[in-house]
Amino acid sequence: GAGVSQSPSNKVTEKGKDVELRCDPISGHTALYWYRQSLGQGLEFLIYFQGNSAPDKSGLPSDRFSAERTGGSVSTLTIQRTQQEDSAVYLCASSLVFRASGGRNTGELFFGEGSRLTVL
Amino acid sequence: AQSVTQPDIHITVSEGASLELRCNYSYGATPYLFWYVQSPGQGLQLLLKYFSGDTLVQGIKGFEAEFKRSQSSFNLRKPSVHWSDAAEYFCAVGLSGYALNFGKGTSLLVTP
Repeated sequence: GAGVSQSPSNKVTEKGKDVELRCDPISGHTALYWYRQSLGQGLEFLIYFQGNSAPDKSGLPSDRFSAERTGGSVSTLTIQRTQQEDSAVYLCASSLVFRASGGRNTGELFFGEGSRLTVL
Repeated sequence: AQSVTQPDIHITVSEGASLELRCNYSYGATPYLFWYVQSPGQGLQLLLKYFSGDTLVQGIKGFEAEFKRSQSSFNLRKPSVHWSDAAEYFCAVGLSGYALNFGKGTSLLVTP
């Protein structure tokens, strides 16, 4: 598709259940990011993929959170044994990575519309 | 530690009035700077970005931002606000890794 696609758009689950959130990035974008947006908290970085590898997973809140990316394309964020504090909007973004001096990513991030997770 | 601060959580302006949203950062070197807008129920959209060169950058929807190195700021401005500009605005900074660090956002309300 033309943009970043995320599914499901809304997910309501019971505490203790596992959930999977899917992200389909823009075709050709090598970098993929997961962020979490909680009310009044801005965007919290979770994990970044370059191709299928995750050079930076420093933002994952706990070992209940994991993510993978296959074929350099679709990514899945999995939350095991969900807790009420996991309720948030999970945003996925993708970008072309431009490596300037120092290896910093100067590429624009394109965001999906997010998956709203509610844990009861 | 690297950080991005948006001091104003909420701002209310009258339609047609000018707007300035503040963004300050703490970073060891000149970062890459972005402003994103999030309209209700929609994803984030890039308004403008600064990498290098001219410190006044123009963006979409009539927005502009000025990078001031001495003040570690990248404030967003618009001369005349329209009702459709009501949204959440996020400043973001490029880190030495690969992820952008976002501020907590400023919610803009536009009154008639």
